[in-house]
This record gives sequence, structure tokens and C-alpha cells, in this order.
Amino acid sequence: SSELTQDPAVSVALGQTVRITCQGDSLRNYYASWYQQKPGQAPVLVIYGENNRPSGIPDRFSGSSSGNTGSLTITGAQAEDEADYYCNSRDSSGNHSFGTGTKVTVL
Amino acid sequence: QVQLVQSGSELKKPGASVKVSCKASGYTLNTYAMNWVRQAPGQGLEWMGWIDTNTGNPTYAQGFTGRFVFSLDTSVSTTYLQISSLKAEDTAVYYCARDRYCSGAGCYIPYYYMDVWGKGTTVSVSS
Repeated sequence: SSELTQDPAVSVALGQTVRITCQGDSLRNYYASWYQQKPGQAPVLVIYGENNRPSGIPDRFSGSSSGNTGSLTITGAQAEDEADYYCNSRDSSGNHSFGTGTKVTVL
Repeated sequence: QVQLVQSGSELKKPGASVKVSCKASGYTLNTYAMNWVRQAPGQGLEWMGWIDTNTGNPTYAQGFTGRFVFSLDTSVSTTYLQISSLKAEDTAVYYCARDRYCSGAGCYIPYYYMDVWGKGTTVSVSS
């Protein structure tokens, strides 16, 4: 399956903006989806498609895509946004891949 | 509301088998496919494969062929993950996640996503 690469960790000051990126060949043909996972909890979908948020996800979460890179942006990060974030995409063979994950720390 | 309820934690010895269940409620099971995802302790998410809930046809990711079997029983709205010949490295949390997608004429660029997740089932393998 296609590999998706993410930065291992990023930090952001409370109320500031952070962008998390995901790189992989499959992203040239498919949008990424993004998942938030807090310790001891199941992942939660936060962004899918071009820039769609499921019901209940704050509008400070947004997504974008360019070339082989998908991005998740948190505008005005809150303490509760501290979590691991994973991207996911499907490749042309029909296989899914998760990114390597990014730990977001809110300072 | 829509939810996936998974079976409880399991402690098994090496060589044994385990069957994890994932019961769908709030929607009809065969409306959407189901993914299975593994997360080893301290590690990231790993896609194991998916099952077509209309036909029961499974697709396994690389590394999950042979000892892993996806199945379903639509009469009880439940999908299953069975792992045989358990090894210590199978120790992980296993999640089921509902599959959604937009492709074809409706979407200029297709996309897939997992919109509902079970809470996970911890499988521990130890002698």
C-alpha cells in the first residue's frame, strides 16, 4: 500500500494556528481524511474530502490539498486539540494507508 | 444513534485464537463496508483491510493474510475479526470503522473516509 508521511510532532501556542501535513503519491489522486486520537480513545474523523467536517467538529479545523500533500489546519488551537492526528488515503489498488501520525502539543 | 459496539478485552496464550465482534446499530449493516484497524501499544494506526457487507467478500492488507479472517452475520448486524495462531506481536487494540466514500460522477476527486469507529477491543497475547 502507498506510504503517507507526517511530521512526528508539532507544537502550537494556545490560540495560534498550526498546519499538519501528509505526503504521499496516493494524494495526487485522492483526498486525504484526517483523524484525531486522544490517549486511550478511539480515533475521531475531523476532516474528509476537499474540506468537509463531520457534525460536531469545530470550524477551526480545515483541510486542503496540493499535489502530493494534504494538510490539516487548526486555526486558533485550543487545549482540547492536543492529540495525535493521522491522515488516511486510499490508493489505486484499493488499499488504505494511514500516515505515520503527528503529535500536536498545545503550549 | 449510529454506533459500533465492540466486544470486550481478551487475554490469550500464544497459539490460541480470538474472535472480536463489532455490532452496528442505528443503521443497516450492509449499507456500508467495514474496515478493521490495528494499533499496537505506543504505535500508530494500521489498516488491516475491509469487508464488503453486501457480499461478505473480504480484502486483506499486506501483512494480514493467512491468520486473519473477516466475516459477518447480517442477521445480528455484526462483523467479526478472527485471528488464529496468536503471537505476542498481535497484542494490540483492534478497531472496526465504517467505510464511506465519494467517487465517480459525483466527485471530481474521489475520497474515502471512516466516519464511525468502535471503541476498540484490546487483545493481549502472553504466556
